[in-house]
Amino acid sequence: EAGVAQSPRYKIIEKRQSVAFWCNPISGHATLYWYQQILGQGPKLLIQFQNNGVVDDSQLPKDRFSAERLKGVDSTLKIQPAKLEDSAVYLCASSSDRAYEQYFGPGTRLTVT
Amino acid sequence: GNSVTQMEGPVTLSEEAFLTINCTYTATGYPSLFWYVQYPGEGLQLLLKATKADDKGSNKGFEATYRKETTSFHLEKGSVQVSDSAVYFCALRRNTGNQFYFGTGTSLTVIP
Repeated sequence: EAGVAQSPRYKIIEKRQSVAFWCNPISGHATLYWYQQILGQGPKLLIQFQNNGVVDDSQLPKDRFSAERLKGVDSTLKIQPAKLEDSAVYLCASSSDRAYEQYFGPGTRLTVT
Repeated sequence: GNSVTQMEGPVTLSEEAFLTINCTYTATGYPSLFWYVQYPGEGLQLLLKATKADDKGSNKGFEATYRKETTSFHLEKGSVQVSDSAVYFCALRRNTGNQFYFGTGTSLTVIP
């Protein structure tokens, strides 16, 4: 079974630029999560999708962050414009309705200069 | 609300020492509990889980018991190895809504 795929693995941008991250969850997993993990901290949920719909986006900075999940499969997370404090690892995870655990992708390390 | 509190690190142990990483939680309802591990440069991997009170999760020599009375899920290993060096995250999952809450992580370094 293929795992959660993310790209790119690394990205360096200047502040005020835009950036997008892509995630492909495990086949058949209805729930998809985007987390922000700042160095030295635990993952913080940004947005949770159930199929096409948003379940929780209460911690998503909606003035600059946006996310979509096309056809209930792949997802993209966008930051526009980026700030220095957005430097972090962005993790995508997925889970099925039957299982209790999440499966994580390798993450995208974003550096904003 | 829902939250997870882990003991702060970093933790440094000699090989074959006994490991305990404390984790306590606050939750509405009856959550499921998890330990995830993050090796350097990698994503989080599930280490073990427990879905109800008194369940014991175990994997790779690690164990944790879901204690409802003390709202705890402490991670233990009897004899650590250098390869166990990683960051360990305690997490809970709400059983309604499928949302996860993570602790801040505990860094473990095992020296030969």
